[in-house]
Amino acid sequence: QKEVEQNSGPLSVPEGAIASLNCTYSDRVSQSFFWYRQYSGKSPELIMSIYSNGDKEDGRFTAQLNKASQYVSLLIRDSQPSDSATYLCAVEGGATNKLIFGTGTLLAVQP
Amino acid sequence: KAGVTQTPRYLIKTRGQQVTLSCSPISGHRSVSWYQQTPGQGLQFLFEYFSETQRNKGNFPGRFSGRQFSNSRSEMNVSTLELGDSALYLCASSLFDRNTGELFFGEGSRLTVL
Repeated sequence: QKEVEQNSGPLSVPEGAIASLNCTYSDRVSQSFFWYRQYSGKSPELIMSIYSNGDKEDGRFTAQLNKASQYVSLLIRDSQPSDSATYLCAVEGGATNKLIFGTGTLLAVQP
Repeated sequence: KAGVTQTPRYLIKTRGQQVTLSCSPISGHRSVSWYQQTPGQGLQFLFEYFSETQRNKGNFPGRFSGRQFSNSRSEMNVSTLELGDSALYLCASSLFDRNTGELFFGEGSRLTVL
């Protein structure tokens, strides 16, 4: 079982729709959770962090965390073509205290 | 404020050679992490350094090594290169004295092994 799992996609949504990206992790004692966005040919950039159960909103982005289910998600409202990128889930802490990335979900927003 | 700078950006080596990659973190950042990114495996953690000390290491063979200097600049070395070492090597720096996951990545060094 991979430590951090994501559906590779591509996830295709129409412009203006809500994009829902999901991530599960295996280390139950993980403490911190992050979403990075990586455009093609570019390096990853941090867009959201979440540390406690529930929702955290930042503009059009909402991160959701459910530690009991070991599940993290990212919602993008009013999706724009400029949101088309690979979204990487990262989990830190736990037994190894390393930051572990999922393989990413490719999001394609259709105009 | 300058971002994370990695050199060289591109390099081509042959099997058996060795390579050294350099990373200059954002000014004031003392934590540096290295990752290997490949299409199949995604971002794989290599090492994390803080104040010249390796605090964490990923599951890579001993051919992969690194170090951090007193000015927080870091280098990683790969010896006896194999075809499978072809990848994008990303360096990331962090402001905090522990790995909070809030990393700032450089543009990467793309290594091709022939």
